Amino acid sequence: AQRVTQPEKLLSVFKGAPVELKCNYSYSGSPELFWYVQYSRQRLQLLLRHISRESIKGFTADLNKGETSFHLKKPFAQEEDSAMYYCALRDTGNQFYFGTGTSLTVIP
Amino acid sequence: NAGVTQTPKFQVLKTGQSMTLQCAQDMNHEYMSWYRQDPGMGLRLIHYSVGAGITDQGEVPNGYNVSRSTTEDFPLRLLSAAPSQTSVYFCASSPDRTSGNTIYFGEGSWLTVV
Repeated sequence: AQRVTQPEKLLSVFKGAPVELKCNYSYSGSPELFWYVQYSRQRLQLLLRHISRESIKGFTADLNKGETSFHLKKPFAQEEDSAMYYCALRDTGNQFYFGTGTSLTVIP
Repeated sequence: NAGVTQTPKFQVLKTGQSMTLQCAQDMNHEYMSWYRQDPGMGLRLIHYSVGAGITDQGEVPNGYNVSRSTTEDFPLRLLSAAPSQTSVYFCASSPDRTSGNTIYFGEGSWLTVV
């Protein structure tokens, strides 16, 4: 069963516009949610995690347990934000599940 | 500060050849895994290991073998390469969930099977 769903494969926004990358999950326990970013031909790296409640590179994500969502948001997109973004869930058994990814393009 | 190291970075294989992708981590992580990344498919788990001597299948294990003789190393073997195995492969490791740390990835191995 798909535990993490990212409905948008491709997303394009203009520089300076707000951006929201959607992520929904399916898990009955207490998951940990993460966002990973992959810049062109680089390794995946952690962007942020829900338990930290922090803002990284202007991005934030709030865990909404009622809607089982963990959407990634940024008020003003920058060209350097263009990358592939993966939402991920870690279950209580330490297993990670990744969504199919959203490729974000910020248009100058 | 090596983290997760994968080799080779690029490889071209002929159909039917075998090869091993090497993965090593120096963070003493118990959990290691191999993913393949394909356009539109995201990351799919091939095999994983929760500790030395223990391995298990992920979502797409067919055509691949793994072993975990030490905590540090987790090689992925392609037994008889097929064009469908053309992909980018990522090795990853993570500590126990209680540590509060997350999963770390290698730089990826680009494999082409012709």
